[in-house]
Amino acid sequence: QVQLVESGGGVVQPGRSLRLSCAASGFTFSSHSMQWFRQAPGKGLEWVAFISHAGSNRFYADSVKGRFTVSRDNSRDTMFLQMDSLRPEDTALYYCGKSAGTTPRQIPPDYWGQGTLLIVSS
Amino acid sequence: EIVLTQSPGTLSLSPGERATLSCRASQSVNSYFLAWFQQKPGQAPRLLIYGASSRATGIPDRFTGSGSGTDFTLTISRLEPEDFAVYYCQQYGNSPFTFGGGTKVEIQ
Repeated sequence: QVQLVESGGGVVQPGRSLRLSCAASGFTFSSHSMQWFRQAPGKGLEWVAFISHAGSNRFYADSVKGRFTVSRDNSRDTMFLQMDSLRPEDTALYYCGKSAGTTPRQIPPDYWGQGTLLIVSS
Repeated sequence: EIVLTQSPGTLSLSPGERATLSCRASQSVNSYFLAWFQQKPGQAPRLLIYGASSRATGIPDRFTGSGSGTDFTLTISRLEPEDFAVYYCQQYGNSPFTFGGGTKVEIQ
C-alpha cells in the first residue's frame, strides 16, 4: 500500500536551516509529481512547493521562494525540502503528498503523510 | 497570485441535509484545475475532487464538484455523520498554487 513518511522536523532557531525528507513506498515514485504543504497550529492549509516526476519543474509559494528548495532522489524514492533562513512564521506541520495520477489534471495529492512538525523559535 | 475565497465560513446542518460550499477565485482558474479536500481534526487532508468535477478514487458519489472560470461549488447531497469536517478548495492551474480559507461543516 502507498505510504509517505515525513521526517526531519524539530525545534530550530530563527535563521538556521533544516532539511525535511519524505520517504515513499507502495507506488512508482518516479512517475508521480510530489508536493509539500504546511499547516500552522489551528490554521488552514498552505501549499509550499511542487516538484515534477523527474524533478525538472519546481514551483514555490511566494512565502518560501528563495529560502526553500525542493528536490527528489528517484533512486531512493525520497523527496526533500531544504529550508534555509527559517522564520518563526515557518512554524507548522509539514506534509508531503503524492499526485493522484500522471497528468497535469491529476496533480492534487491523493495520499498524504502524517506530517512532521517544525518549530522555529529562539 | 490567485486568491480563493470560500463561503460560508461555517455551515451548520443536520445529517441527511444537503451542503453547498462555494469557492470563488480572484481570476479565472486555468483549465478547471480546481481541487477540493476534506480535513478532520488530527488527520491529514483527503482529496475529494480534482479537475473541478472528477471524484478521486473511493470518494462516494454524494460528493459533487462543479463550476468553471472563477466560481466553483462542492455539493454534498445528503450529509453523513462522517462528513462533518473542514473543506478546502485549491487551485493548481497557476503557480503559486493556492488554497481557500476553508469551510467548516458542523452538526446543527
